[in-house]
Parts: sequence; C-alpha cells; structure tokens
Amino acid sequence: QVQLQESGPGLVKPSQTLSLTCTVSGGSINSGVYYWSWIRQPAGKGPECIGRIYASGSTSYNPSLKSRVIISIDTSRNQFSLSLSSMTAADTAMYYCARGDYASETFDIWGQGTMVTVSS
Amino acid sequence: QTVVTQEPSFSVSPGGTVTLTCGLSSGSVSTSDYPSWYQQTPGQAPRTLIYSTRTRSSGVPDRFSGSILGNKAALTITGAQADDESDYYCVLYMGSGISVFGGGTKLTVL
Repeated sequence: QVQLQESGPGLVKPSQTLSLTCTVSGGSINSGVYYWSWIRQPAGKGPECIGRIYASGSTSYNPSLKSRVIISIDTSRNQFSLSLSSMTAADTAMYYCARGDYASETFDIWGQGTMVTVSS
Repeated sequence: QTVVTQEPSFSVSPGGTVTLTCGLSSGSVSTSDYPSWYQQTPGQAPRTLIYSTRTRSSGVPDRFSGSILGNKAALTITGAQADDESDYYCVLYMGSGISVFGGGTKLTVL
C-alpha cells in the first residue's frame, strides 16, 4: 500500500525559504502513470494546488506561486520536494503531498500533512 | 483567473438527499475538466470520493454519486448519514498540469 509522508520545519521566518520533502513508501515514485503534487490549505480555507512533478522531472506550477516555487524529484530516494521562497504570513498553512493519477487527474493518495507557520 | 465555485454551505436531514454543485466563474463544466470530489473532516487530509465525473473511489458507499447537471459538476448524496457531515471540495483540471480546487461546501446533517 502506497503511503506518503511529509517532513520539514514547522516554523519558518518571514522572507526565508520553506523546504519540505515527501517520502513515498510501498511503491515506486518512478512511474509513468502518476505525478506527485504539493497542495496547501490555510486554516479554515479550501486547499490550493502548488504544483506537480512527473518522474521525468517535468513540472507544472500554480501561476500565482510560480515565481517562488521549485518542485524537484529524487527517484533514487523515492522522494520529491518543495521549495517555496520569500515566505510571508500568508503562506502559513497545512502542506500536503499527494499522488496524482495521470489518466483521471485525481489526487488518489494523500500524506497526512504538515503544518507550516510563518512567524518571526 | 478562473474560479471554481461551490455553495459555501448546505444542510440535509438524515436520510435525505442533497446535491452539491461545482461550477466555473466563466463557462461550463464538462467531463473534459475531469471533475473530482473530496471529503474532508476536521484534522484529516481530504479523501477522494468521486473522480472522472462519476467514478466512485474504492470503498466509497454507493450513496455518493457524481454527474454533470446543466453546466456544473454535481455530487449527490442519497440517504445522508450523520457521518457525512464534512467539508466537500471539488477539483477541476484546467489543462497544462493545473488543477483548481473549489472553495468547498460545508455540509450539515441535522
């Protein structure tokens, strides 16, 4: 059974860069039928897609975040990562990693999420 | 920027039927947008209910169904139960690797 687990700091200072990693277990990240996504959700609000990456390394980013986001993949470690620069209080949210199914455009497996707070 | 619209809240009686909708700020929703629906309870990650408009995810009760109604995607719960009280989010695929969540519907069962 495939599982995803986020890891990274829970507290980031304003203007700093957030770095999160998602470790995939129970299956290979090197698949042509899935993509790997980062999604965030501020408290009391709906989720927001940050972006996705395919095993090939190809990426797509939310246009509103594109200038600050880098998603990378390490197939040897079965991990993918998020880098979000110039963090502000508006970036405070629960951050989820999720597996996406290419054929149905569905987020079918989610990590439990990690809370990130931006504060000095 | 295209906005995905959902009713902010809805209420249904136990055993009743409710239909939640998912629209676009401009244009109509079609199967080509790959509508999907997610259920989220407090403190939990979203759970996939419906994908590709009407396909139920594994383990999802058949009281949940998806469809296109008019120019919107729809999630219908038939015979609502108390534990269906949750937030429901739809997602539409906009192309070029971009998926957009709706603002969510808070469903109350009372």
